[in-house]
Amino acid sequence: AQSVAQPEDQVNVAEGNPLTVKCTYSVSGNPYLFWYVQYPNRGLQFLLKYITGDNLVKGSYGFEAEFNKSQTSFHLKKPSALVSDSALYFCAVRDQDDKIIFGKGTRLHILP
Amino acid sequence: KAGVTQTPRYLIKTRGQQVTLSCSPISGHRSVSWYQQTPGQGLQFLFEYFSETQRNKGNFPGRFSGRQFSNSRSEMNVSTLELGDSALYLCASREHTEAFFGQGTRLTVV
Repeated sequence: AQSVAQPEDQVNVAEGNPLTVKCTYSVSGNPYLFWYVQYPNRGLQFLLKYITGDNLVKGSYGFEAEFNKSQTSFHLKKPSALVSDSALYFCAVRDQDDKIIFGKGTRLHILP
Repeated sequence: KAGVTQTPRYLIKTRGQQVTLSCSPISGHRSVSWYQQTPGQGLQFLFEYFSETQRNKGNFPGRFSGRQFSNSRSEMNVSTLELGDSALYLCASREHTEAFFGQGTRLTVV
């Protein structure tokens, strides 16, 4: 079955430091991968996607993600964290039925 | 373009009642998906509609149902509400790859 896993429930990073939010996936064929962010009492906002091409994908708000086929990972990164990046982050994959399924989410805390 | 609109934003219902939630997708998007978000279970896929037909269905009981109209607007219905149905219900629309979400309907069952 197609799935996506986010191994960390919470990640704490000091403001100004680089951040990484981890995601691994299990799909057959070529994966379509996504990252979304959710702020309190809001829906999910699309950050970026990987379909094909360059393994480093750039998205909104200075975020980027690195696709690694051999490690089946799609980690979200940002060179310098802001306090306003504190939110809930979801990794997602499009499965063989063309529906998008999500990981359980990682809460990111940026400490001032 | 206007984004995905969900109504109402908040609902309080009593156990045993039924509820209908509404979602208007982004203009031109034919696919509408529904998700249930709870603190313990994360985002659970309910179902997806495409051009008025249910294309995918998640592992939820038959009390959860949906439909899509010819203008792509979608509704989901939950009958015989249980306390465990309290959640944020999110609707997402898409045309090709990525999905775009509404702000959700917060349902509280008392």
